[in-house]
Amino acid sequence: AQTVTQSQPEMSVQEAETVTLSCTYDTSENNYYLFWYKQPPSRQMILVIRQEAYKQQNATENRFSVNFQKAAKSFSLKISDSQLGDTAMYFCAFRNNYGQNFVFGPGTRLSVLP
Amino acid sequence: DVKVTQSSRYLVKRTGEKVFLECVQDMDHENMFWYRQDPGLGLRLIYFSYDVKMKEKGDIPEGYSVSREKKERFSLILESASTNQTSMYLCASSLGVGRTGEFDQPQHFGDGTRLSIL
Repeated sequence: AQTVTQSQPEMSVQEAETVTLSCTYDTSENNYYLFWYKQPPSRQMILVIRQEAYKQQNATENRFSVNFQKAAKSFSLKISDSQLGDTAMYFCAFRNNYGQNFVFGPGTRLSVLP
Repeated sequence: DVKVTQSSRYLVKRTGEKVFLECVQDMDHENMFWYRQDPGLGLRLIYFSYDVKMKEKGDIPEGYSVSREKKERFSLILESASTNQTSMYLCASSLGVGRTGEFDQPQHFGDGTRLSIL
């Protein structure tokens, strides 16, 4: 079974600084999909960024980018120019290419400080 | 935009009650999911459904059942609520792989229901 680990339960960063959230996963599959979701306080969980394992190029969405290291089974999220609105729980998620469901990590609570 | 609506944001019930949590999506998604979210444990899948009247057990189905009579609605049922079922419950939906041929379709989440069992 696949597992997803997020080793940082809580992190904080100063506004405008850069922060990296770590995620590792365990799978024997060769192709799969990885996602980062954001859950702001008392608000809906939304997709931040996604990456397909067979794509070499790291995904980027505006201030959010990933560092995907397939051999190391690592999928970290970098947030540049952090904003107060980035304060949220961040979940890393894995999906294989034959199932319909996702496996989520335990989450990292990020606080952006003014 | 996809809209996933959960019937209640907060719910308080008594031990032994039968509890219904409702979820409706408006984007004709094939897949619907019920998760439980607890601090330090992330999201754990209770049940999911990939079609009307179809259901699959997730990681923690014990004490729960589901119903999907219509494509847009997915209900989670706590047959006899217990205090250890106090939690945040999240519903999600996504396009089916059969329709898109792609596995990178994200899940779209509702606002969550914070359920307290007294």
